[in-house]
Formats: sequence, structure tokens, C-alpha cells
Amino acid sequence: GENVEQHPSTLSVQEGDSAVIKCTYSDSASNYFPWYKQELGKRPQLIIDIRSNVGEKKDQRIAVTLNKTAKHFSLHITETQPEDSAVYFCAASTAWAGGTSYGKLTFGQGTILTVHP
Amino acid sequence: NAGVTQTPKFQVLKTGQSMTLQCAQDMNHNSMYWYRQDPGMGLRLIYYSASEGTTDKGEVPNGYNVSRLNKREFSLRLESAAPSQTSVYFCASSGWDGYYGYTFGSGTRLTVV
Repeated sequence: GENVEQHPSTLSVQEGDSAVIKCTYSDSASNYFPWYKQELGKRPQLIIDIRSNVGEKKDQRIAVTLNKTAKHFSLHITETQPEDSAVYFCAASTAWAGGTSYGKLTFGQGTILTVHP
Repeated sequence: NAGVTQTPKFQVLKTGQSMTLQCAQDMNHNSMYWYRQDPGMGLRLIYYSASEGTTDKGEVPNGYNVSRLNKREFSLRLESAAPSQTSVYFCASSGWDGYYGYTFGSGTRLTVV
């Protein structure tokens, strides 16, 4: 089955700095890579995702890059703010397959991001 | 539109007791999932249901059973709770909403003493 490794496990930055979280996956058939943000005591919330036919995707201060050859993908947060402090999870699945909606996600172990004011 | 509703939010069980976690979604999603979340281990898949009428084991199914009651509801049962099942449990559903995202329930914090 799929295995997703996520690094670092903790990341501390100053407000305004950039933060980068990296993930690698093992199954070359995986084609859908979402990122989730989980605030303390809350449910994970999707913040951005990327499909295997795209190399990069941006949404305001966050971006995700995908290198299919190396089987790794990364989350980039620019101009970090204290409200970005949370646990971030990457995930991988074969969800995107010709229009089907099914795909069980395999998650990374999570990164605790702390943004200091 | 409530999304994914999980009950209960908190539960304390004694070792050996049984209980059922309930999950319902109102987004007309085909697929539903149960995950457990433990510190430093991310979210691990317990069971999933790709569509109504089907269920399959995930990564950590031992000690659990599931029922896909209908398209909306997917329950998780602990027949004889063990301290190792102390965790936060999340139900999720997925379908085509313009993206292939999961929608998570609010979670159940279970403690087995």
C-alpha cells in the first residue's frame, strides 16, 4: 500500500517568514495530493490540493509543488501569520481516476507549525 | 447543510465495554471513511466504504467493525474496548464537489480506562 513520509515534524518560524513542509510518497499510481490544516481540537480542513497532471498550484499565500519523478510534493506558505499556527497534514491517493470520486487517503504524520509574532 | 455529523463528541469506556460511533453525511457522497488520530502518527484508516453496500479494511482494522447502513450513514463499532483504542476518531466522506476533497466530521474523543 501507499506510504507517505512528512518532514519536518515540527517547524518554528517568525511572522513574515516562509515555511516549507515536504512529503514523499511510495505508490507511483497516486495522483491526488491534498493538504489539510488542523487547528487544536478541530477537524482537519482542506487548504489546497494538486493533481498529478499539474506541477504547481497557488492560492494566495499558499502553494503546492509536485515532482512525480521523485515522488515528492511540498507545501509552501509565504508571509506567515500567527493564525497559520496549526498541524499540517499531507496526503496521497488515487482518487482522481477518470472522474471517479473514490479514493482512500494515506496521510503523513503531520507537521506542527508555530508562527511567532 | 450540516456536512458530516459525528456522535458522540466525547466518550469514556471501561475496558471490555462496547460502543458504536455514528456518522452521517448529507452531501450525497458515495464514499465514507473512519480514521483514528494518535499523536505523532497522523490519521490512520480503520475502515472505508467506497459505495453503499460495500466495506473494506484499512490500515488498522483490528478490534473494529463497521456498517454502511445506507448512503448517508456509516457506523464504527468497538465490540470489546481496549486501552489501545484510546484515540480521536474522525469520520469522513468524499465525492465529486468540484474537487476530490474529503469532508471530515468534528471527531470523537474516546478514552478507554
